Amino acid sequence: EVQLVQSGAEVKKPGESLKISCKGSGYIFTSFWIGWVRQMPGKGLEWMGSIYPGDSDTRYSPAFRGQVTISADKSISTAYLQWSSLKASDTAMYYCARGYSNTCILDYWGQGTLVTVSS
Amino acid sequence: DIQMTQSPSSLSASVGDRVTITCQASQDIGNYLTWFQQKPGKAPKLLIYDASNLETGVPSRFSGSGSGTDFTFTINSLQPEDIATYYCQQYDNVPTLTFGGGTKVEIK
Repeated sequence: EVQLVQSGAEVKKPGESLKISCKGSGYIFTSFWIGWVRQMPGKGLEWMGSIYPGDSDTRYSPAFRGQVTISADKSISTAYLQWSSLKASDTAMYYCARGYSNTCILDYWGQGTLVTVSS
Repeated sequence: DIQMTQSPSSLSASVGDRVTITCQASQDIGNYLTWFQQKPGKAPKLLIYDASNLETGVPSRFSGSGSGTDFTFTINSLQPEDIATYYCQQYDNVPTLTFGGGTKVEIK
């Protein structure tokens, strides 16, 4: 059974750093893209970027390039999303999802990680 | 960048009604379009891929059509459990992806 399990909710202060995770199981982790999707409170879905764990090829949405870093550790089948300096506007739910084959159809999703940034 | 315009942003319909949502791409994306359902507090769920193919296990009252720039998502005979927000998403220039703004479906 394909599963993506994300790390737990986080409460941080502005300026702090953060790294959240997404662990894949039930499939060959290195053969599928992992995408990250942001959902701000009461808002829609925004694709942030994706990584192909097999060769670490990483692509970012122009809106998020330079704001976050996406990485992966294929030895433990885990992808990461990190911030070096959080802002209040980073408060959101973050989802990871598997991108199927070369189409990147997001067929399996993690449960989401809620990040709250508040002073 | 490809933009996806979804309409309406919300709708209210009665149980048993036929519901239609449209999604327009800013350029030709072929049939590289998916539709997702997101219930409150839950992760999105893939319903339709390649514009018209139903994901395994998805009820047949859901359907999709279209190609190029104009797409349609239909719920035949709306059920109470279909209350959710629905999103289209293009994958023409993978791995870059774009979502539509979403359509919130409520029961009248």
